[in-house]
Order: sequence, then structure tokens, then C-alpha cells
Amino acid sequence: GESVGLHLPTLSVQEGDNSIINCAYSNSASDYFIWYKQESGKGPQFIIDIRSNMDKRQGQRVTVLLNKTVKHLSLQIAATQPGDSAVYFCAENLSPAGGGNKLTFGTGTQLKVEL
Amino acid sequence: GAGVSQSPRYKVAKRGQDVALRCDPISGHVSLFWYQQALGQGPEFLTYFQNEAQLDKSGLPSDRFFAERPEGSVSTLKIQRTQQEDSAVYLCASSQPGWDSNQPQHFGDGTRLSIL
Repeated sequence: GESVGLHLPTLSVQEGDNSIINCAYSNSASDYFIWYKQESGKGPQFIIDIRSNMDKRQGQRVTVLLNKTVKHLSLQIAATQPGDSAVYFCAENLSPAGGGNKLTFGTGTQLKVEL
Repeated sequence: GAGVSQSPRYKVAKRGQDVALRCDPISGHVSLFWYQQALGQGPEFLTYFQNEAQLDKSGLPSDRFFAERPEGSVSTLKIQRTQQEDSAVYLCASSQPGWDSNQPQHFGDGTRLSIL
């Protein structure tokens, strides 16, 4: 199918290594952040989220770190597998009280896992 | 349970034709969103419904774009007099109501629209 990842920054890692994908978000008032994985021809798939009152959250093989001081978000994937190959997007949102409903997506990073 | 379902998966239309894209959200999800995704870019917000009420349509690019959700479940995005620049993937997402805190949005696989 058509590649979602055309013209996107690319991160290549060896199978079994850890991956770190970075994202700079734009709005200092953003209260909620999500990482999505998007495979070619599919919609974005929820991976993990974090609220602004936290600086770290862990899931299964994934960890999200939030640095509000520099408006930076990262996604760490442990023991990267071939099935992790996809485009990864960060997205930000305001709180509901702040009128938040729409997600604002970052540029995206193409992760390629080499065997 | 079933996820967000979109139809058709692919739509080809001639410039000037009208198209209608359908979204079936996850059962019980009050909030429904439409996004547009150009090739190689992240999704961009079009419009948002809470039940049948369209609360935000600030992302609709022109008055040729119209969305509805008359019974608070299924939604339709209609594009009138299509133009080539409308070619994109149209994504629908739904979420639980987040009165006090945000809830994750879950996406369908989209409709790929090609205008000839």
C-alpha cells in the first residue's frame, strides 16, 4: 500500500535494540498527550497517553517521557521488534475545561527495524 | 468489541462530483471527530461532535464540506463539488466523554479519497 511515511524523518534500529522517538509540541497550554502508531493503509493506533501532571508513564514495552519546561515528549520502545516498524505520531490536546477536543498532531517519525 | 468502522475504504470521484463518507463509531462513544490526512503528514482536525451536536467545525476547509450526526451515532462527512485538493485520507475517531479529563481518541482505518 501507499506509504504514510513519505518525506518523514526516519529512525533505523536493529531488532532487539531500544528505540527513542522524540517530539517537540507547540502549545504550552496543552494538557494531554498521546502517541499513535500508524501502519501503511491503516488508521492511527493508540499506544500510550500522558497528562501534564505526570512526567513519565510506562506501558507494555513502551515508556513516554514529558518535559514541559522545553515542551518535549519522547517515546521509548524496549526490545524493538519488526512489527514495530511504522510511522509514529505524537499528538497534543488542551484540557476539556480549556476547550480541548481536537488533537494537534506532530510531523511523525518513520521507524524502520532492521533484522 | 468492534472498533471505529469507515466506509467506503476507497473512493474515486471526478472533479465536481459530490461524495459522502460514513463513520460508525465505537458503541457508546459520545464524542466523534473527523480528520483529514494528506500524504506524508499527520492528521488535521476537521470537526467534532458530542452526541448529535456539532460543537466545533473550525477545521472544515470550505463551505463545500459538511458533516452530520443526526442520531448521535453514525456520522457522514459530505464534500460537494469536489476539487483535486480534496484528495486525502479522511479519518474518523471516537472517544468516551471526557468531562473532567481527556480520553484517548480511537481511529478507524479511513477513507482514501481520490479526485480525478
